[in-house]
Amino acid sequence: QVQLEQSGAEVKKPGASVKVSCKTSGYTFTSYGVSWVRQAPGQGLEWMGWISPYNGNTNFAQNLRGRVTMTTDTSTSTAYMELRSLRSDDTAVYYCARLHGDFDWFDPWGQGTLVTVSS
Amino acid sequence: QSVLTQPPSVSAAPGQKVTISCSGSSSNIGNNYVSWYQQLPGTAPKLLIYENNKRPSGIPDRFSGSKSGTSGTLGITGLQTGDEADYYCGTYDTSLSAWVFGGGTKLTVL
Repeated sequence: QVQLEQSGAEVKKPGASVKVSCKTSGYTFTSYGVSWVRQAPGQGLEWMGWISPYNGNTNFAQNLRGRVTMTTDTSTSTAYMELRSLRSDDTAVYYCARLHGDFDWFDPWGQGTLVTVSS
Repeated sequence: QSVLTQPPSVSAAPGQKVTISCSGSSSNIGNNYVSWYQQLPGTAPKLLIYENNKRPSGIPDRFSGSKSGTSGTLGITGLQTGDEADYYCGTYDTSLSAWVFGGGTKLTVL
């Protein structure tokens, strides 16, 4: 079955960077986009951006442009999200999700990775 | 403020029916598919409805979706205590060139 397995929780200091991985299995990696969504404690879902494993095209949420990078490794069917210059309000659970169609829907989702930014 | 507007909370008794609305505009819901996600406490979101009204395999027919103009609606019948969760609508916004979510609706089954 289709699975997205994310890396473990991280604790970072303000100003540092974090890189979260999302290893996929059960489907052809290059046939679907991968999106990243985050959720701050007690808050709703926030879309961060998208990457096409097929050609590397990306699109990021405007408020994160310049701080976020999304990459893929097709040899291991893994997607990565790196966020730089971390601030306390970046503390959140970060999810990857397989994107269907032209930004039509997300399914399935990874289990989530908690990133805590604290001095 | 979210681009898509959902009621913060809804509640109903077990066995009853509830609807959750998701209001947008012509740049998002009006011209793109709506999907719905269920997030049980402490878990990742799960797809409930895609392409406005389609259910993935494994989702019971107690869950339904509809879209009219710039609004989408999620319906849940035969409420169970296990349906207590946060529900999010989402769609692509063509003007923003970004995916947008509603603020989420907390369902309480009394």
